[in-house]
Amino acid sequence: GESVGLHLPTLSVQEGDNSIINCAYSNSASDYFIWYKQESGKGPQFIIDIRSNMDKRQGQRVTVLLNKTVKHLSLQIAATQPGDSAVYFCAEKGGSSNTGKLIFGQGTTLQVKP
Amino acid sequence: KAGVTQTPRYLIKTRGQQVTLSCSPISGHRSVSWYQQTPGQGLQFLFEYFSETQRNKGNFPGRFSGRQFSNSRSEMNVSTLELGDSALYLCASSRNPSGENTGELFFGEGSRLTVL
Repeated sequence: GESVGLHLPTLSVQEGDNSIINCAYSNSASDYFIWYKQESGKGPQFIIDIRSNMDKRQGQRVTVLLNKTVKHLSLQIAATQPGDSAVYFCAEKGGSSNTGKLIFGQGTTLQVKP
Repeated sequence: KAGVTQTPRYLIKTRGQQVTLSCSPISGHRSVSWYQQTPGQGLQFLFEYFSETQRNKGNFPGRFSGRQFSNSRSEMNVSTLELGDSALYLCASSRNPSGENTGELFFGEGSRLTVL
């Protein structure tokens, strides 16, 4: 079956350090990937996306890397701040049977220590 | 610009009852998707509507249904509630159907359903 997974359920980092959150996906036909951030009591919030024809995309303090060879996705957060504490989900879209819906991974909880 | 609004935010039901959840998308958004979020299963796709038509459906039993109105507002219904239906139900809207060009879904804060 298809799945999108994250390697670690929890990641703890020191404030100011860089964070790297990883995600592995199984559907090689997926052509679009997204990272979402979910704070406690809120719905997921779009962070950044990347298409399968790209290897890297940068936003404000965030970078997403895509390695299609090993079907791996990562989110890098520079100079992590307390406000970055949340659950981060990767999601994929695409593939012959998946048009029109997102498949989410299980999520990684990022804890930022002051 | 108002975000996605979901009502009610919290509700408690008993087994066997039914529940209707409502979602008002961002103005101008015509696509509405519903997701179920539980600690064990994470975020799972329920269904997606665009222009009052269901475009996609996830792997949920027929007890889960939805609809979309001409003003793009959407409702989902769960009949014959089971304990396992306890979850956060999230609605998301986008300008285009989520199968086209962008996956940027704007989520509401969810309706937390507890089934006793």
